[in-house]
Amino acid sequence: AQSVTQPDIHITVSEGASLELRCNYSYGATPYLFWYVQSPGQGLQLLLKYFSGDTLVQGIKGFEAEFKRSQSSFNLRKPSVHWSDAAEYFCAVVNTGGFKTIFGAGTRLFVKA
Amino acid sequence: DVKVTQSSRYLVKRTGEKVFLECVQDMDHENMFWYRQDPGLGLRLIYFSYDVKMKEKGDIPEGYSVSREKKERFSLILESASTNQTSMYLCASSYPTGAVDEAFFGQGTRLTVV
Repeated sequence: AQSVTQPDIHITVSEGASLELRCNYSYGATPYLFWYVQSPGQGLQLLLKYFSGDTLVQGIKGFEAEFKRSQSSFNLRKPSVHWSDAAEYFCAVVNTGGFKTIFGAGTRLFVKA
Repeated sequence: DVKVTQSSRYLVKRTGEKVFLECVQDMDHENMFWYRQDPGLGLRLIYFSYDVKMKEKGDIPEGYSVSREKKERFSLILESASTNQTSMYLCASSYPTGAVDEAFFGQGTRLTVV
């Protein structure tokens, strides 16, 4: 069965510092991978997605993610964090057939001044 | 822009009540989903539907049912609400079957069962 693991429940970074959020997946075939962001009291918004091709994908708000098949990882990065990036971040994989999106438990990002 | 609208942002219901959560999408999406979100557990799939009148159980369907009479509307029903169903409920929709792409989410309904 597919699964997604986000090892960090929460992370605190200083404004202007770099960020990396970890995501590992378990999936037998080529995965379709996503990162979503949820601001407080809101639904989820897509940051970026990976289907195939270039393993470094660019998303909105200055985020990028790198797919590493050998490590079964899809880590999210941002070179310089802004206070408005404080939110919860979810990594997700879509299963074969494209019906179900399976989410990780989420990583809550705190940004300190 | 795709819009997924959930009928209520906040609901307070009593134990044993029958509760309806409504979700409407305006992009002619075939797939619709109901998730439950709890701290530390991420989003867990309750039910999904890939066509009108079609439904499939997700990972935690117990205590819930769904209805999809029209393509744009997907309802989640708590037959007899219990306190352990206090949670945030998120509705989502996505593109046609077989075309993998992102899911679009509503704002969520925070349900409290007292």
